[in-house]
Amino acid sequence: AQSVTQLGSHVSVSEGALVLLRCNYSSSVPPYLFWYVQYPNQGLQLLLKYTSAATLVKGINGFEAEFKKSETSFHLTKPSAHMSDAAEYFCAVSLGGSQGNLIFGKGTKLSVKP
Amino acid sequence: ETGVTQTPRHLVMGMTNKKSLKCEQHLGHNAMYWYKQSAKKPLELMFVYSLEERVENNSVPSRFSPECPNSSHLFLHLHTLQPEDSALYLCASSPGWGFQETQYFGPGTRLLVL
Repeated sequence: AQSVTQLGSHVSVSEGALVLLRCNYSSSVPPYLFWYVQYPNQGLQLLLKYTSAATLVKGINGFEAEFKKSETSFHLTKPSAHMSDAAEYFCAVSLGGSQGNLIFGKGTKLSVKP
Repeated sequence: ETGVTQTPRHLVMGMTNKKSLKCEQHLGHNAMYWYKQSAKKPLELMFVYSLEERVENNSVPSRFSPECPNSSHLFLHLHTLQPEDSALYLCASSPGWGFQETQYFGPGTRLLVL
């Protein structure tokens, strides 16, 4: 069965510092993986997704994630944090097959200090 | 209006009330979803409609009743709710119901059950 674990419910970085948000997955089929971001009082917005075309995936707002099959990981990074990056970030894995259902992690809240 | 819209944005109801949440997508998508987002818990998929047919019902209590009259509209009818049903209810849509599809989310309805 598919599952997602996000390590750290809350991450705090200084403005300009590296952002690293961790996601590990479990999947019985080749996974499709997603990162979504949720700003306060808003719905979720897709940051990027892995669809097996390339292991390093670039997304919006300078974020990228690397799929590592050996580590069953899909960590999200950004070289330099900006105040506007403060939000909650969700990793998700697709159930695969013909179904479009996503399994979400519990989320990681990112705080950015000036 | 663009994207996915939800009304109302906030709702307070008593346990004996009946209310409905509305979702409308302006993206021409064929699949629509209802999620429940509670604090400290992963997003919980409640219902999925594909081409106006319900394809997923994740053991949701019968006090939640979905309706999809056409591919652009999705409703969630609520009756005799419990305080633990207080949460953010998110609607999403995707072009189709498949494992590689990106889901587009609305801003959510914040529900408080007294």
